[in-house]
Amino acid sequence: KAGVTQTPRYLIKTRGQQVTLSCSPISGHRSVSWYQQTPGQGLQFLFEYFSETQRNKGNFPGRFSGRQFSNSRSEMNVSTLELGDSALYLCASSQDRGDGYTFGSGTRLTVV
Amino acid sequence: GDSVTQMEGPVTLSEEAFLTINCTYTATGYPSLFWYVQYPGEGLQLLLKATKADDKGSNKGFEATYRKETTSFHLEKGSVQVSDSAVYFCALSGAGNNRKLIWGLGTSLAVNP
Repeated sequence: KAGVTQTPRYLIKTRGQQVTLSCSPISGHRSVSWYQQTPGQGLQFLFEYFSETQRNKGNFPGRFSGRQFSNSRSEMNVSTLELGDSALYLCASSQDRGDGYTFGSGTRLTVV
Repeated sequence: GDSVTQMEGPVTLSEEAFLTINCTYTATGYPSLFWYVQYPGEGLQLLLKATKADDKGSNKGFEATYRKETTSFHLEKGSVQVSDSAVYFCALSGAGNNRKLIWGLGTSLAVNP
């Protein structure tokens, strides 16, 4: 079966712009989580959505937001981009039974 | 709050050597524990998991046992291969609706032929 699909794979944006990243979970998975990975901070939790509702949120500023659609696909948006937002953004989906998450290949965002 | 500590890398081994990557955790309640692996340029892949004390997760020759008394989940493999070269992450997930993953910083493994 298809895995978690993230688009686009690579993005280059300018400071001050905004960006939207997309994640299609594995069919049947209703939980979608987003993580930011940087060399300095490692993996940090952004937020989790379950059945179109944000269930958990990490410690990121309000410029980071997300949503989930009725088909479980999710998007995250970052507004007013800063250089420090350059990172690999990973999406993960789960059946929500505590049996682990399946990750996509990520979107590599570079802010210049 | 919950946290995960894993040994710093990089770890460099020769092919067929024994591998241990230490992981300890701090958590309230009874978390689930995971090892994920990240190959260069790729996302994270679940390697193995354990959901309760004394459970042993295993996959592709890797093993880890959930030790509640020592709050540890060390990763081991008896004979590593060059293809095992990757970054390994230990993580925990809380119970109930708090299933967000808390991560260790990752341990880079390089296996030389």
